[in-house]
Amino acid sequence: NAGVTQTPKFQVLKTGQSMTLQCAQDMNHEYMSWYRQDPGMGLRLIHYSVGAGITDQGEVPNGYNVSRSTTEDFPLRLLSAAPSQTSVYFCASSYGGQGGLETQYFGPGTRLLVL
Amino acid sequence: AQTVTQSQPEMSVQEAETVTLSCTYDTSESDYYLFWYKQPPSRQMILVIRQEAYKQQNATENRFSVNFQKAAKSFSLKISDSQLGDAAMYFCAFMDTGRRALTFGSGTRLQVQP
Repeated sequence: NAGVTQTPKFQVLKTGQSMTLQCAQDMNHEYMSWYRQDPGMGLRLIHYSVGAGITDQGEVPNGYNVSRSTTEDFPLRLLSAAPSQTSVYFCASSYGGQGGLETQYFGPGTRLLVL
Repeated sequence: AQTVTQSQPEMSVQEAETVTLSCTYDTSESDYYLFWYKQPPSRQMILVIRQEAYKQQNATENRFSVNFQKAAKSFSLKISDSQLGDAAMYFCAFMDTGRRALTFGSGTRLQVQP
């Protein structure tokens, strides 16, 4: 099991450019989420998905789009990058089961710098 | 919406001593999960301990234990026999059973002195 994988690890963008952060999991988890972490802060939820074809906004969704066409993949799209989107981005997945085994598994993160 | 508050931006502990990190949360949910995650300089998010809200018994994982007070909405982490490798950022997080996504506190930076 690779767990949750994210690509790229690091990216530099110019203001106004668009890009897609890739996220994949091989654990057959129904639930997936995207977070951003700014310096000295906790992670904040951007978007989440409760299953293939179902997505919804988190606390800081502006400037980002997501889709979930398969259980495995949950890409995050930056539509027009802004310096305020400079951050570390984490993708995560959850089993969603009962019985006390719920855990959120995180990818290694993508560092994004917008100039 | 739920909120998570960590009121201690930084804590310091001597090696082999015990330290307690505080966390309070606010929610109208009755069923949820609470977590403590550790984030070392590598930025990797490492699960430390998990608590199910319906369980009254406090979770324990080796040197790590929690004091879960559901009525007070408090979820503190106790680290016993602190080790140099425990130095990191620690985040308290809340998970609702609907979204299965996390709401994080702002974190506590733990330093361990030799």
